[in-house]
Amino acid sequence: SQELEQSPQSLIVQEGKNLTINCTSSKTLYGLYWYKQKYGEGLIFLMMLQKGGEEKSHEKITAKLDEKKQQSSLHITASQPSHAGIYLCGADDQAGTALIFGKGTTLSVSS
Amino acid sequence: DTAVSQTPKYLVTQMGNDKSIKCEQNLGHDTMYWYKQDSKKFLKIMFSYNNKELIINETVPNRFSPKSPDKAHLNLHINSLELGDSAVYFCASSQEGGAGYNEQFFGPGTRLTVL
Repeated sequence: SQELEQSPQSLIVQEGKNLTINCTSSKTLYGLYWYKQKYGEGLIFLMMLQKGGEEKSHEKITAKLDEKKQQSSLHITASQPSHAGIYLCGADDQAGTALIFGKGTTLSVSS
Repeated sequence: DTAVSQTPKYLVTQMGNDKSIKCEQNLGHDTMYWYKQDSKKFLKIMFSYNNKELIINETVPNRFSPKSPDKAHLNLHINSLELGDSAVYFCASSQEGGAGYNEQFFGPGTRLTVL
């Protein structure tokens, strides 16, 4: 079965610093999804990547999918306290019927 | 306007009880899901359901059963609750699109505590 490995598990950065979160799949990805979760809340969709080499940006967050479609990275530029939360990468399961998630990266931003 | 809503937000109950969590989506989506997030924040699919097919994760005990009165609702019934059922349960929905087109919208979660 497919597994997603996220790194780092947790991250503390100073406000204004850049950071990167990685997501590695044991199998080729058909769709890779990034979500953010704040404590006590649901998941907020950030971005979806489908094609090898694809890159998408929204505000200060950029997500990339490598050419082989097995690794994705999420980069935050000039981090702010509002970026704090748990970042989860998800991928379609083999049948395309549900998402498999990594174990998440907890981001804390100190001001 | 809430896209995917769940009730209750918190549920505290005794071992052995039967409980239900309700989920509603107003997005017109074809497929709904239940996920379980454990204490280590690991999110795992329990069920996916559209009006044609129920797909069950084989690791889910048969004490858990989804019930869909209509396309906009997918409720989760849990019988004979156990301590290990304590977790946050998330409902989600998506437009049926297959692999690579499966953006899912999540509800706020229901934190279940079994005493």
